[in-house]
Amino acid sequence: QSALTQPASVSGSPGQSITISCAGTSSDVGGYNFVSWYQQHPGEAPKLMIYEVTKRPSAVSNRFSGSKSGNTASLTISGLQAEDEADYYCSSYTSGSTPLYVFGTGTKVTVL
Amino acid sequence: EVQLVQSGGGLVQPGGSLRLSCAASGFTFSSHAMNWVRQAPGKGLEWVSYIYNTGSTIFYADSVKGRFTISRDNAKNSLYLQMNSLRDEDTAVYYCARDLGGSYSQGWGQGALVTVSS
Repeated sequence: QSALTQPASVSGSPGQSITISCAGTSSDVGGYNFVSWYQQHPGEAPKLMIYEVTKRPSAVSNRFSGSKSGNTASLTISGLQAEDEADYYCSSYTSGSTPLYVFGTGTKVTVL
Repeated sequence: EVQLVQSGGGLVQPGGSLRLSCAASGFTFSSHAMNWVRQAPGKGLEWVSYIYNTGSTIFYADSVKGRFTISRDNAKNSLYLQMNSLRDEDTAVYYCARDLGGSYSQGWGQGALVTVSS
């Protein structure tokens, strides 16, 4: 099972909206509504931002939203802020027991 | 507040062994499945292993199967990863994480660096 495909980098100016894609297959992203997104600042542990495609933990800003179409999931950050600059990883449950979960290749978000 | 405090990382020679620990607090540990996830230097996240809340179901990534053993002690609110026959490519920061819904992780440890080198 290969890693999910994400763009290596995405950038935007403060206040703009950006979207990060996460391409998988029918055995992972397309087959289940179990896509999650994680934010990781340098030297820190990942933080859950979106789960089950569209759901947002209560402590996460509503500027973050998730969606899915077919085998591709997306994370949108609206009203981009300096603190949003970080690495973002998607993840999906898979149809096999190994791996149980597959992560994306990661996207570096830069706030210009 | 969910807290996961890790210990046990370090430098080990190829072929050696190391045991990671993850002490949980702030939630009912015995009610939750747990995961180990690793991140090689400058690389992305890689899922390593999963253990059901009772320990009755366990999964491993192919890259560690037969060499790593996940376990837990619910009486001690602790998760473990026994790593044997370590290879250079096992060098990474290892994170423990609380599994929710069988589909995502919320609540991560601070990470433990494992360096495999002669």
